[in-house]
Amino acid sequence: EVQLVESGGGLVQPGSPLKLSCAASGFTFSSNWLNWIRQAPGKGLEWVASINPDGSSTYYPDTVKGRFVVSKDNAKNTGYLQMNNLRSEDTAMYYCARGNYYSSYPFWGPGTMVTVSS
Amino acid sequence: DTVLTQSPALAVSPGERVSISCRASEGVNSYMHWYQQKPGQQPKLLIYKASNLASGVPARFSGSGSGTDFTLTIDPVEADDTATYFCQQSWNDPPTFGAGTKLELK
Repeated sequence: EVQLVESGGGLVQPGSPLKLSCAASGFTFSSNWLNWIRQAPGKGLEWVASINPDGSSTYYPDTVKGRFVVSKDNAKNTGYLQMNNLRSEDTAMYYCARGNYYSSYPFWGPGTMVTVSS
Repeated sequence: DTVLTQSPALAVSPGERVSISCRASEGVNSYMHWYQQKPGQQPKLLIYKASNLASGVPARFSGSGSGTDFTLTIDPVEADDTATYFCQQSWNDPPTFGAGTKLELK
């Protein structure tokens, strides 16, 4: 069974860093893209990062480019999202999802909540 | 960015047919996907590439469209279908989602 489980969320102050993890199981992690998608409270979904199977290419929207870094450790079946210089508008539930870049996201984790507030 | 426009909300009675629309600001070929999200849960893929039913999804759900206009149809609607439905395009960079259509049952 495909499973994705996020962790690392919490309450942080503006300007702080935070690193999220996504533990994967039930599929060949090293052969799959990993994506991060967020959802602000009561709002819609926003794609925030993607990384290709071997980790050599990463993609971001302008809203997080230069502040967020996505990575994956294929030996540990774990993906990461390093978030720097966090802003109040980054407050959201963060999901990791499996799916190719120009495709849909067939598997999602339950999410981890990030709150940026002083 | 490609903007996807969805109606905010719909209300239908169980047993009826409902169509949820998604209009793209520019062509997305057939690379439109649909998700269902219930409160407190992660989104679940229903339809990929406009009309393909995702694994395990009941045949009551179907999708159609190409270019800029797409439709998710549920027929017949059941009580358990109360949820928010999102469309997502993956043809243009960056991938984008619609704001969601909240489906309520009368």
